[in-house]
Amino acid sequence: EAQVTQNPRYLITVTGKKLTVTCSQNMNHEYMSWYRQDPGLGLRQIYYSMNVEVTDKGDVPEGYKVSRKEKRNFPLILESPSPNQTSLYFCASSPRWDIATNEKLFFGSGTQLSVL
Amino acid sequence: DQQVKQNSPSLSVQEGRISILNCDYTNSMFDYFLWYKKYPAEGPTFLISISSIKDKNEDGRFTVFLNKSAKHLSLHIVPSQPGDSAVYFCASLSNFGNEKLTFGTGTRLTIIP
Repeated sequence: EAQVTQNPRYLITVTGKKLTVTCSQNMNHEYMSWYRQDPGLGLRQIYYSMNVEVTDKGDVPEGYKVSRKEKRNFPLILESPSPNQTSLYFCASSPRWDIATNEKLFFGSGTQLSVL
Repeated sequence: DQQVKQNSPSLSVQEGRISILNCDYTNSMFDYFLWYKKYPAEGPTFLISISSIKDKNEDGRFTVFLNKSAKHLSLHIVPSQPGDSAVYFCASLSNFGNEKLTFGTGTRLTIIP
């Protein structure tokens, strides 16, 4: 089954304790992206990757890191989490990124992160 | 600076009636627009899209209208069904090398049986 898999689904942590949220897709997609969803703010892009070893900042990259060493994986790293990073996070992937295919953006089920 | 706005956080509609969800944008460089639907505990899924060269696009019960001069788009669902209860996000894309979607804040639609 074609899917984007995020882990964990729920995570509670404390300020300053490094964590990684994993994202994996089995569709051989070139494009991957991370979003956070917050009440009243909608979905905001954190980082995106056009292909292996190619990453770029989205709208809210501060406090986050990503890597794209393999095509299928795009982990989100919080080196020193803070309470303002408490949010619902979504990973997404797409075959490519252009006008003709951008509706083929597949999202994972989300990771609810709470930083105490 | 919210470039894509959905001014109604929630909307309740009787089953069988029309649901109209609205979205406004400020960036005149946006020329492709999409609607995503999100159920609880799931990621958003693509619903329907429209290019700026059109003013209307239909797909079954879903129709999206675009008014470029007003920088406004709307999603019509007719007839509304209980399974349409979800959060709806509009999103915009610029075709000028900016490879990212800008999402709105979302509208929670509740269909009342």
